[in-house]
Amino acid sequence: GAGVSQSPSNKVTEKGKDVELRCDPISGHTALYWYRQSLGQGLEFLIYFQGNSAPDKSGLPSDRFSAERTGGSVSTLTIQRTQQEDSAVYLCASSLGGGQKNIQYFGAGTRLSVL
Amino acid sequence: TQLLEQSPQFLSIQEGENLTVYCNSSSVFSSLQWYRQEPGEGPVLLVTVVTGGEVKKLKRLTFQFGDARKDSSLHITAAQPGDTGLYLCAGERGSQGNLIFGKGTKLSVKP
Repeated sequence: GAGVSQSPSNKVTEKGKDVELRCDPISGHTALYWYRQSLGQGLEFLIYFQGNSAPDKSGLPSDRFSAERTGGSVSTLTIQRTQQEDSAVYLCASSLGGGQKNIQYFGAGTRLSVL
Repeated sequence: TQLLEQSPQFLSIQEGENLTVYCNSSSVFSSLQWYRQEPGEGPVLLVTVVTGGEVKKLKRLTFQFGDARKDSSLHITAAQPGDTGLYLCAGERGSQGNLIFGKGTKLSVKP
């Protein structure tokens, strides 16, 4: 497809389990962003990848959260030992390059529910 | 602390009415973006405003960036049911393009 693809679209897990969320950015986009959208809280920046540079992890809420981007393309966001407060929609976006004024294209998100 | 405050949080109006959504901050942004998000989908960029005082029009939508680049507004003229959705403003502050989002305005336009 031409857009940002995220999988799974929905994930239900039990408290304490690990989950992996996947993002396929638009081909050729060097920048990739992860955001979290919680009910009533808006979108919260999590992590940013740009090319081969070290990722900006400043938005990750705890050390249970990590992300990697293999080969400069697909990215995986991992949440270890999930908690109920991790329930949210996790959105991925990509852009042609990092920096300001680059349009970010968002995927449809993964809705995570932690029981 | 919410860096970008959006108001109102919810808005329900009749088709044909006009409305304005506000996005305010005490911080200066290099640019500000407006997105529209529909249920089950990601946000879609509507416009980016960069220059203080800038006004951009997109059909019935008018976007304005404050002179001091701390606030913005979105005005919709003669709203249509198709305008229904969550409107988000987002500001760019750093050099990497990380966006700071407001909590959004949920608009419902009834026929």
